[in-house]
Amino acid sequence: NAGVTQTPKFRILKIGQSMTLQCTQDMNHNYMYWYRQDPGMGLKLIYYSVGAGITDKGEVPNGYNVSRSTTEDFPLRLELAAPSQTSVYFCASSFSPRDRNYEQYFGPGTRLTVT
Amino acid sequence: GENVEQHPSTLSVQEGDSAVIKCTYSDSASNYFPWYKQELGKGPQLIIDIRSNVGEKKDQRIAVTLNKTAKHFSLHITETQPEDSAVYFCAASTGGTSYGKLTFGQGTILTVHP
Repeated sequence: NAGVTQTPKFRILKIGQSMTLQCTQDMNHNYMYWYRQDPGMGLKLIYYSVGAGITDKGEVPNGYNVSRSTTEDFPLRLELAAPSQTSVYFCASSFSPRDRNYEQYFGPGTRLTVT
Repeated sequence: GENVEQHPSTLSVQEGDSAVIKCTYSDSASNYFPWYKQELGKGPQLIIDIRSNVGEKKDQRIAVTLNKTAKHFSLHITETQPEDSAVYFCAASTGGTSYGKLTFGQGTILTVHP
């Protein structure tokens, strides 16, 4: 299994540009998550999904959008990039917490700079 | 919502020494407490976790303790090795609910000197 894969690894955007961060998992996990990690800070949840077609906001959703059309993919969309969105973005996935298997598996991250 | 505080922010030890990282949480409903290790350029990886019905859990050189009354939990690494150098994050979750949302601490940069 490849686990959780993310593309691209690095990206520089100009203010106002848009982009999509890709995330794919091959572990047949129902739950998927997007986090951002700012320097010296812990990870903050942006959006999450409990299955195809179902998404919900996390702690810091403003400026982002998500969709979940398949179990495997959970892309994160930035519509109008702002310098405050400069961060490292991590995608994660897990089985359903209802199954009492709570481990989240993280991808390698996308480092985004907005200038 | 849940708030998780983690200390210290940096920790430097000699190889073979023990390292202890402490976290406090605010939501008494939290019942799942994982610890993640993040190596440079990689995503976090779960190293150990504990649930609220257990006070202590060990896995070789690492252990986690939980004090529900005081709402704090700690990571203990014994006989540290240079490869233990990384950023460590604690987290808390109301794992029994529908959504496994984790609230993370700020992270501890652990450096083990040979």
